[in-house]
Amino acid sequence: ETGVTQSPTHLIKTRGQQVTLRCSSQSGHNTVSWYQQALGQGPQFIFQYYREEENGRGNFPPRFSGLQFPNYSSELNVNALELDDSALYLCASSLAASGRASSYNEQFFGPGTRLTVL
Amino acid sequence: QKEVEQDPGPLSVPEGAIVSLNCTYSNSAFQYFMWYRQYSRKGPELLMYTYSSGNKEDGRFTAQVDKSSKYISLFIRDSQPSDSATYLCAIRRGSGGGADGLTFGKGTHLIIQP
Repeated sequence: ETGVTQSPTHLIKTRGQQVTLRCSSQSGHNTVSWYQQALGQGPQFIFQYYREEENGRGNFPPRFSGLQFPNYSSELNVNALELDDSALYLCASSLAASGRASSYNEQFFGPGTRLTVL
Repeated sequence: QKEVEQDPGPLSVPEGAIVSLNCTYSNSAFQYFMWYRQYSRKGPELLMYTYSSGNKEDGRFTAQVDKSSKYISLFIRDSQPSDSATYLCAIRRGSGGGADGLTFGKGTHLIIQP
């Protein structure tokens, strides 16, 4: 086990609704990354937070937003849900030594939240 | 062309065989190369990472990176049924360039037959 926890485990929503997913980082980690993994696909990078600020973003629309809290836990919010948003949402925590999260920092993944949009 | 290409399989081999898993990538800016293992209903776990070209060995696992051909490999010796999982290659740019997230392949579903 990595020490990264996510809640809830499963979630069912309908199209157009909004959802909030939560992640608790491994103790001592200051960086959180979120990924979307559709069935049969590899994870796709959504964004990363370092010290409560967005540090980088993948090719996802603005209706995907996030927060990181002073204790380094994090939320992923998705507005106006679409059917294609159905996926496993993974969060990964890591420790950046200083400055921007850069160089190689191993990312430890949580078990994910499985979101189904009907 | 996708940034990372990986054959999704499934790849089925008998116990004890040597397994070879491969990915190709398109962007020469990538400098960190990783292999993750993902069991069903679990998050990915890091097996190995390599910086730039070369080989790296850890027990039964060997990772190889050939930057000139943009080709990365993972070899598993003496494969065990417990190695049955999806293996994901992942790559990342060097520090200071672009988003800091990982770019993953589709994953190869590996089945080790007892």
